[in-house]
Amino acid sequence: RKEVEQDPGPFNVPEGATVAFNCTYSNSASQSFFWYRQDCRKEPKLLMSVYSSGNEDGRFTAQLNRASQYISLLIRDSKLSDSATYLCVVNGYQDSSYKLIFGSGTRLLVRP
Amino acid sequence: GAGVSQSPSNKVTEKGKDVELRCDPISGHTALYWYRQSLGQGLEFLIYFQGNSAPDKSGLPSDRFSAERTGGSVSTLTIQRTQQEDSAVYLCASSSLAGTTGELFFGEGSRLTVL
Repeated sequence: RKEVEQDPGPFNVPEGATVAFNCTYSNSASQSFFWYRQDCRKEPKLLMSVYSSGNEDGRFTAQLNRASQYISLLIRDSKLSDSATYLCVVNGYQDSSYKLIFGSGTRLLVRP
Repeated sequence: GAGVSQSPSNKVTEKGKDVELRCDPISGHTALYWYRQSLGQGLEFLIYFQGNSAPDKSGLPSDRFSAERTGGSVSTLTIQRTQQEDSAVYLCASSSLAGTTGELFFGEGSRLTVL
């Protein structure tokens, strides 16, 4: 089982739609969680950290569910510019040490 | 500039040759990571440097891969006797915080193509 798993998508939604992605992680001791965004052929950039209490940044809301070991990202009122790959990142234990482990990403396409 | 700088941005080499990829992190960042991303795939962890501590090399795929970080700043990833499966984008990232709690700032990557 992968440490961090995401639905690869693509999610194809119209402008203005609400879309949600989930990401599951296998290590219950994980402490830090993030969503990164990666545009085509570009480097990943931090979108938002995910806090235990959940957090919101404009149209973006991130939630953490420790009991079920998943994090989610909700995007409201989708814009064309939201089209990208969204990477779930978890502080996970792999090969005898903690490190930031990236999921394979969920691709979002927002159409006019 | 103020960001993470990587060179070369593109490298085409023949199978069996050695290559060196360079990363210049953000000044003052103590943590430096190397990841590899194959086309359409996620990021694969390679190696992590934190200050003067011994690096976490657990992600290096074979003994053909090595990395060093001189003076706690610039890092070089070396791939010896390159193979076609080494073709990927090699991403370097730095962070101001120790461990795995801080935001990573990525360079634009070095795209390696092994013919």
